[in-house]
Amino acid sequence: ETGVTQSPTHLIKTRGQQVTLRCSSQSGHNTVSWYQQALGQGPQFIFQYYREEENGRGNFPPRFSGLQFPNYSSELNVNALELDDSALYLCASSPAQQTGANVLTFGAGSRLTVL
Amino acid sequence: SQQGEEDPQALSIQEGENATMNCSYKTSINNLQWYRQNSGRGLVHLILIRSNEREKHSGRLRVTLDTSKKSSSLLITASRAADTASYFCATDGTDKLIFGTGTRLQVFP
Repeated sequence: ETGVTQSPTHLIKTRGQQVTLRCSSQSGHNTVSWYQQALGQGPQFIFQYYREEENGRGNFPPRFSGLQFPNYSSELNVNALELDDSALYLCASSPAQQTGANVLTFGAGSRLTVL
Repeated sequence: SQQGEEDPQALSIQEGENATMNCSYKTSINNLQWYRQNSGRGLVHLILIRSNEREKHSGRLRVTLDTSKKSSSLLITASRAADTASYFCATDGTDKLIFGTGTRLQVFP
């Protein structure tokens, strides 16, 4: 059983650029959530995908968008990067779309630096 | 926004000592989870306690929940250097977990 894998692990972008982060969910998991974790803070919920549809979104602007594919993998896209977007981006998968009852399995994260 | 606030923000202890960290949250919950994070990497689930439970154990971990005070505590007994990490509580929100601000635990050999 493979866990959650994310790529790339580190990347550096400049302000105004666009970035795509990728995530493969754990085998048997069909729900993927994305979190942003700024340095020294707890993870903040960006959005969740279930059956290829966005299902729940946190307080993030529309330039944060995502996709989920038929194999349950997912992408997070951020357009028009700002300096404050520098953070660790965490992908987590869970077995089903349930409200909070599921335990999340996290990937190791993608660390984005915006210069 | 953060639902939970952990206290203390940072904790330093010697190996063999117990470590206690607390979490306070704002709204009613169905369950509360604790996660651990090593050096800015991914989070690992430790334990889940439901709102109708008051205490739960898992190995060297003991979690308590007081819904009347909207608070939880995580106790790590007989700590080891390998327990050095950040610990987060997380409460259930609509379709998401809401994480606290975390406690950074340093265990010295």
